[in-house]
Amino acid sequence: DADVTQTPRNRITKTGKRIMLECSQTKGHDRMYWYRQDPGLGLRLIYYSFDVKDINKGEISDGYSVSRQAQAKFSLSLESAIPNQTALYFCATSPGFQTGANVLTFGAGSRLTVL
Amino acid sequence: AQTVTQSQPEMSVQEAETVTLSCTYDTSESDYYLFWYKQPPSRQMILVIRQEAYKQQNATENRFSVNFQKAAKSFSLKISDSQLGDAAMYFCAYSSNFGNEKLTFGTGTRLTIIP
Repeated sequence: DADVTQTPRNRITKTGKRIMLECSQTKGHDRMYWYRQDPGLGLRLIYYSFDVKDINKGEISDGYSVSRQAQAKFSLSLESAIPNQTALYFCATSPGFQTGANVLTFGAGSRLTVL
Repeated sequence: AQTVTQSQPEMSVQEAETVTLSCTYDTSESDYYLFWYKQPPSRQMILVIRQEAYKQQNATENRFSVNFQKAAKSFSLKISDSQLGDAAMYFCAYSSNFGNEKLTFGTGTRLTIIP
């Protein structure tokens, strides 16, 4: 099994629908992140969490919310999806102040299309 | 805020030849990490190489090496003996070492390998 698992891998939805992207990890890492990838823009940070009680906005958090249900689970929600949220979404984890700190492990990505 | 610039949207190289991908960054910090990530068509983000800013020696991983010029804020990736499996998007990324492991990504360079 993958260290960082994202579900669904692909999703097509309609404008106005609520969507949840889920992420679970077996790395035992405290820190988790959600990034969005758009062509020509690279990856941009949406939200990040350094532990279960710590949630922080990234550079493009508008229109998104997150929930850190446990150390291993971090979900991203779009309350009312719009077409410009069509993108590839990545979950990632990092170990914090340990050897290999600052190295992110990524999930396989969730491709979301909003019609 | 830190920024990462990749000025080459696309590059191509003949199989078995050497190619260099460019990256520049802007920061006021003195202690940080720089990364190159590879994204093949499978869309998985794969760490290629990591450089710690306080280390003067350039990082090397098999056929991959970097040219880290701290004063010039430049961090290029050299791929030697290019192989077909090296075809991918390559992202340069920056991470502060002051308790915050968020990655700031460049916009990517698409590398094509010509057989």
